[in-house]
Parts: sequence; structure tokens; C-alpha cells
Amino acid sequence: EVQLVESGGGLVQPGRSLKLSCAASGFTFSNYYMAWVRQAPKKGLEWVATISTSGSRTYYPDSVKGRFTISRDNAKSSLYLQMNSLKSEDTATYYCARRGGYGGYFDYWGQGVMVTVSS
Amino acid sequence: EIVLTQSPTTMAASPGEKVTLTCRASSSVSYMHWYQQRSGTSPKLWIYETSKLASGVPNRFSGSGSGTSYSLTINSMETEDAATYYCQQGSSYPWTFGGGTKLELK
Repeated sequence: EVQLVESGGGLVQPGRSLKLSCAASGFTFSNYYMAWVRQAPKKGLEWVATISTSGSRTYYPDSVKGRFTISRDNAKSSLYLQMNSLKSEDTATYYCARRGGYGGYFDYWGQGVMVTVSS
Repeated sequence: EIVLTQSPTTMAASPGEKVTLTCRASSSVSYMHWYQQRSGTSPKLWIYETSKLASGVPNRFSGSGSGTSYSLTINSMETEDAATYYCQQGSSYPWTFGGGTKLELK
């Protein structure tokens, strides 16, 4: 059974940093692109970052480019999201997700972790 | 950036009613994907590559479309189908989601 379990969320002040982790199990982690998707309270979904199988290629939307860094450790079957210079608009539930295929969809999602950016 | 516009934003359907949700893209995409999200839970992949049902999705659901116009159809609404549905394109970066359609039971 595929499982994605996020951790590392919490309350952080604007301008500070936070690192999220995602522990994957039930599949060969190194064979899949992975991603982070977020959802602000009562809002829709927003793609945040994607990383290739080896970690050599990463992709971000303009809203987080230069502030967020996605990385992975295939030996530990773990995905990370380093978030710097956090803003109030980064407040959201962050989901770890597996890219399902070449069509660019997410076939498995974690339960999500809440990040609140507030003074 | 490809903007996805879903309509309607909210709708209510009676059990047994046929339901169609639409998603329009600002530029042509190769495929459209759909997710179901029930209140307080994570999104679930529902339809991928325009018309393929994800594992466990009832066959009363179907997906269709091409280019800039896509749709998700429920042949006969059931209680458990009440949820928010999001479309998403992964054809070009940045990957984008539609704003969602909240489907309620009438």
C-alpha cells in the first residue's frame, strides 16, 4: 500500500524558514517524480514544486521560485520542501504527492501538514 | 501560464440526476486530470488523461474533451458523489488547477 506521510508543519513568523518532510513507503520511491501541492484555508489547490527521480531537475511556479527548494533522499525514501522567506500567503496545508505518469497527474497524496505563517 | 476555469462553481443535484462539470483551459492541453476532495480530506485522483478512471472510481463517472474544453460527467448522481472536484493540467509548467466545482446533494 502506497503511503505518504508529511511532517514538519507548524506556526512560523513571516520571513522565517521551515522544512517539511514526506516519508514514502509501499512503492519504489526512486522510480517516481514527486511533488508538493498546497491548499490555503477554504481555497483551491496550488502546485508548489516537482522533482525528478534523481533530483537533478526541479520545477516551481513563480509564486515560490527562489524561496522554496524541493529535494529528495532516495536512500531514505524521503521528500523535502525547504521554505525560506515565508509570507502570510504561504499559509496552507501542504500535501506530498506522487506523479503518476507522463501526463503530469498526481496519483497518490499524503494526509497533508498545516503551515501557518503569522506573527 | 495555462488558466483553468471550472463551471459551475457550485451546483446541487438530486439522486439519480445526470451531472456534467466543465473545465476550460486558456490554451490547448494534451490531457485533463480530475480530483475529488471530500470535506476535511486529501484530494484523490479521480480521472486521469482525460477519460481514464482511477482505481476504485465507479463507472457512473466518465471524462471527455480535447484541446481547451473538458468535462466530467456523472451518469446518475449518488449521495457519496457530493464533494469538490478539481481539474488539473500537467501538459506544461507551471502545472495548474481549476478553482473547483462544489457538488452538493439536493
